This record gives sequence, structure tokens and C-alpha cells, in this order.
Amino acid sequence: SQQGEEDPQALSIQEGENATMNCSYKTSINNLQWYRQNSGRGLVHLILIRSNEREKHSGRLRVTLDTSKKSSSLLITASRAADTASYFCATARVLTTDSWGKLQFGAGTQVVVTP
Amino acid sequence: KAGVTQTPRYLIKTRGQQVTLSCSPISGHRSVSWYQQTPGQGLQFLFEYFSETQRNKGNFPGRFSGRQFSNSRSEMNVSTLELGDSALYLCASSLLAEETQYFGPGTRLLVL
Repeated sequence: SQQGEEDPQALSIQEGENATMNCSYKTSINNLQWYRQNSGRGLVHLILIRSNEREKHSGRLRVTLDTSKKSSSLLITASRAADTASYFCATARVLTTDSWGKLQFGAGTQVVVTP
Repeated sequence: KAGVTQTPRYLIKTRGQQVTLSCSPISGHRSVSWYQQTPGQGLQFLFEYFSETQRNKGNFPGRFSGRQFSNSRSEMNVSTLELGDSALYLCASSLLAEETQYFGPGTRLLVL
């Protein structure tokens, strides 16, 4: 089963616009991570935000985390054609014997940026 | 540092056969996790190894197994392949299991 759910499932924007996608999850987490995947290739790590953090920035990326609502958002500013990809949120649960090394992924948001 | 490498990149097998996939983690990383990605089920956790020990296993049948060697390289094996095993198999390594996982390019398996 998938822990996170991304919203929207698909997003089509023009270069220069901002892209925002949301992720909701169900259980207590240690951290939440965002990944990008281009055309069925491997996942590229974008950013990790810990459960005690509320916002984090990395270049054109801004991630927020609201643990009370069990939700996170990823904002990509000034998007480029090269940002076209699928974006996944993944949660790492508070460590227990059944959470070691296990990231639980959402279904992803497919982003298309047109020039 | 070199990234996570996976071999082979593509495989075509027939039902009933078995397959072994290999993953070499980033140097110094001792935790290796495996995931299966399909269009229908998305990304699902298979298992995690740390220091040659399987510490966690996802909800997959016993046909899926793995191991880790003393140099942290890991292999996963799928026996008696079924059509539904067609997927992208991704391996990820990390310094600490609960932290950032670095993924390899994946092995795309097609079962005919």
C-alpha cells in the first residue's frame, strides 16, 4: 500500500511558471523526501525535510511540511522544460522493526513543462 | 563518488525462469533497499539489507529473495517468474536507513 498521495496527478505548465504539488500521508514520520524521475529511469533525490522542520529550500525548490495535517508541498519556481518529470514524495516512518530502510512512496505527480 | 550501479539494465525472461539482479551501492553505504515499480502498483518496497542482514521485508511472496555481501553489494533473485513480475527494479543505498536514499538507474525486467 502507498503511504503518500500526491495531488494533482498531472500538471501541465509553461516555462517560467511555478509548479506546486502536494503530498498527504497517513502515519507518523521521521522525515519526508521528494524525488524526481525522468521517463522510467532511476529516482533522483531532491530534498529531505525532517519532522521537526516546517520549510526547506534548495535552489528553485521549496518544500513545506505540516505534520499536524500530515501533508507536504513541493514548489518549483521559474520552471524549465528540463523539469519535465514525475515527482514523488516518500515518507520514512519513525524507526521500528518494520520501517528499516523502507520509504513509502506516493503515486507521483507527472509534470510537463512546455517551452 | 560513483553512484549506485545496477546490472543488467534490461532483461527479458520467460515465465517460470529465474533472474538475479545486482546492485553496487555508493562506497561507504551499508544500507541497501530494493523497490519494484509498476504502472499499476507504483513504487513498492521489497527489502532492506544492512551489514549482510535482511532487516526488513515488504509484502512480496517468497519467490523474491535477496542477499548482501561483505562489500555491501547486493543481489535480488526472483524465482519462477510470472508475467506480473515485469517491472522496473530499483536499488537504493544510504548511509543510514532512515536518511536519504540514492537510487540506481534500475533494471527493467520483461517477463514473456
